[in-house]
Amino acid sequence: AQSVTQLDSQVPVFEEAPVELRCNYSSSVSVYLFWYVQYPNQGLQLLLKYLSGSTLVKGINGFEAEFNKSQTSFHLRKPSVHISDTAEYFCAVTRYSSASKIIFGSGTRLSIRP
Amino acid sequence: DTGVSQDPRHKITKRGQNVTFRCDPISEHNRLYWYRQTLGQGPEFLTYFQNEAQLEKSRLLSDRFSAERPKGSFSTLEIQRTEQGDSAMYLCASSPRSERNTDTQYFGPGTRLTVL
Repeated sequence: AQSVTQLDSQVPVFEEAPVELRCNYSSSVSVYLFWYVQYPNQGLQLLLKYLSGSTLVKGINGFEAEFNKSQTSFHLRKPSVHISDTAEYFCAVTRYSSASKIIFGSGTRLSIRP
Repeated sequence: DTGVSQDPRHKITKRGQNVTFRCDPISEHNRLYWYRQTLGQGPEFLTYFQNEAQLEKSRLLSDRFSAERPKGSFSTLEIQRTEQGDSAMYLCASSPRSERNTDTQYFGPGTRLTVL
């Protein structure tokens, strides 16, 4: 079975500061990896995904994530955050063979201070 | 492309009542998914359809839950004899099919259920 651990439930940062949201996964088979964002009162939106190839993945709104197979991690980063980045961020995985079923982490709430 | 829509957005019901939610996927997306999200947690997979066929069901989907997609377009999720533990946000998503199963799932805004 697959599982996802998001190590921080809340991350407060100042505006224009860099941020890293941590994600570790567990799986005995190969997986695809995702980061989704949920803005207040809105649905989930895909930020970025890793399928294969380059381990550094760039997404929307200036976010990027790096896949590290040896550490089973997929941390999300942004060099300079904006107030509009305030949201809940979910790391997620699917198996190669059953990519219909997404396994989500418990989420990290990113709050930006002016 | 109007996105995935869900109806109603909010539902308050009394314990023991039946409720039904509707999801309209993005046009021409043949895969449709249901997830449940409780407070402070990530979404949990419930079930998914490819066209009208229900291909996978989670163990979370007890006998009181039933989902249908009769014509391969919209889907309904019914909960019978609701319990307070059913209170959650019910999310629907859709995706087109690809050989590698890697297509993005597009999520609707959800239906928030409160069972009193």
